[in-house]
Amino acid sequence: DIQMTQSPSSLSTSVGDRVTITCRASQSVSRYLNWYQQKPGKAPKLLIYAASSLQSGVPSRFSGSGSGTDFTLTISSLQPEDFATYYCQQTYNTPWTFGQGTKMEIK
Amino acid sequence: EVQLVESGGGLIQPGGSLRLSCAPSRFTVSNNYMTWVRQAPGKGLEWVSVIYSGGSTYYADSVKGRFTISRDNSKNTLFLQMNSLRAEDTAVYYCARVGVSGSYHLDYWGQGTLVTVSS
Repeated sequence: DIQMTQSPSSLSTSVGDRVTITCRASQSVSRYLNWYQQKPGKAPKLLIYAASSLQSGVPSRFSGSGSGTDFTLTISSLQPEDFATYYCQQTYNTPWTFGQGTKMEIK
Repeated sequence: EVQLVESGGGLIQPGGSLRLSCAPSRFTVSNNYMTWVRQAPGKGLEWVSVIYSGGSTYYADSVKGRFTISRDNSKNTLFLQMNSLRAEDTAVYYCARVGVSGSYHLDYWGQGTLVTVSS
């Protein structure tokens, strides 16, 4: 199985900050890498798919990059509604696997 | 607006069975890849199973042999049959549609249904 490791696991940030979350795969997943945002009590929401494609309706302050084993999610200027937990997911091979999550909190 | 509505969750004793349903609006289950993801209380997301439009199915090792994903084309509904349930299966279960352009990605999600396995 492909293991996905996110860093950091938690992040204390402020509105307006530029934030980068990293996701590393235990083997190459090409560009089969997605990012999701989840708020408490809600279903996850797709932000980025295929490593760098912005899902329709998602603000342009979100961006993704990477290929192979190393990926990043960047939020260019944090907004109050961005405080949430973020997950990466590989869909290169089954079992599809998620990272452990990065919880973003207000400093 | 695309919506997926899950049902069938509840409290079940260890060793019991439960069948979850997922009914989407505005798209056809049989024409899409569909998947189940779960989240134990206070924990992260765990992928459970996928069914491809052609009918192939795949499972996480943790549920293989106990859970079965299926669909009823006439009812446009996705199912997850869960047998031999264990305490560690306690979670919110989400169904999701899988988009296939560029990568397989979960573009529409249901609201989730809670399964609690406890005596």
